[in-house]
Amino acid sequence: NAGVMQNPRHLVRRRGQEARLRCSPMKGHSHVYWYRQLPEEGLKFMVYLQKENIIDESGMPKERFSAEFPKEGPSILRIQQVVRGDSAAYFCASSPQAQGAGEQYFGPGTRLTVT
Amino acid sequence: KNEVEQSPQNLTAQEGEFITINCSYSVGISALHWLQQHPGGGIVSLFMLSSGKKKHGRLIATINIQEKHSSLHITASHPRDSAVYICAPERFRGSGGGADGLTFGKGTHLIIQP
Repeated sequence: NAGVMQNPRHLVRRRGQEARLRCSPMKGHSHVYWYRQLPEEGLKFMVYLQKENIIDESGMPKERFSAEFPKEGPSILRIQQVVRGDSAAYFCASSPQAQGAGEQYFGPGTRLTVT
Repeated sequence: KNEVEQSPQNLTAQEGEFITINCSYSVGISALHWLQQHPGGGIVSLFMLSSGKKKHGRLIATINIQEKHSSLHITASHPRDSAVYICAPERFRGSGGGADGLTFGKGTHLIIQP
């Protein structure tokens, strides 16, 4: 059973471009979480999704960031018009049960660098 | 005041020593996670607990809900245990203020010397 997969592992974008980060949860997991780790800082919750639904996006910046988890395919975290401050490691995690009821399994992360 | 406080921030110990990392939190939680992040950046979930104590191999995690405190212990520590250990309480949804979901401590940087 493959673990949580994220791609790309490394992404370089120029300021103003769009970044798309993909997360494929573990088989059988329908809950996905996105976290951001800024350089020299701790992890921060961004968004919690189930298939076709955003459950909690209270950690997402209000502008330029969006997330989806379609019925088919991976979850996508999209950052429009990237700025240098978006440079960070973005981790997704998945769980088979709702938040608070099960362990979360983390992907290897996508390291975004904005030049 | 941070919602999650971990101590110590940095810890260097000799191989074989007993290690304790502490975590105090101020929010209402449904569970608490301990995570391990290796130098390459990957994150592994070590424990999720909501009461009492759990043990996996040389790792032990305890939680006291009334005191809002958890500890992670490593027995017979080994250089391969060197990593950042992160405490992550999971808020009750709707517990007020800030984002729901996992909140994270800043991590304890552990180095075990041979």
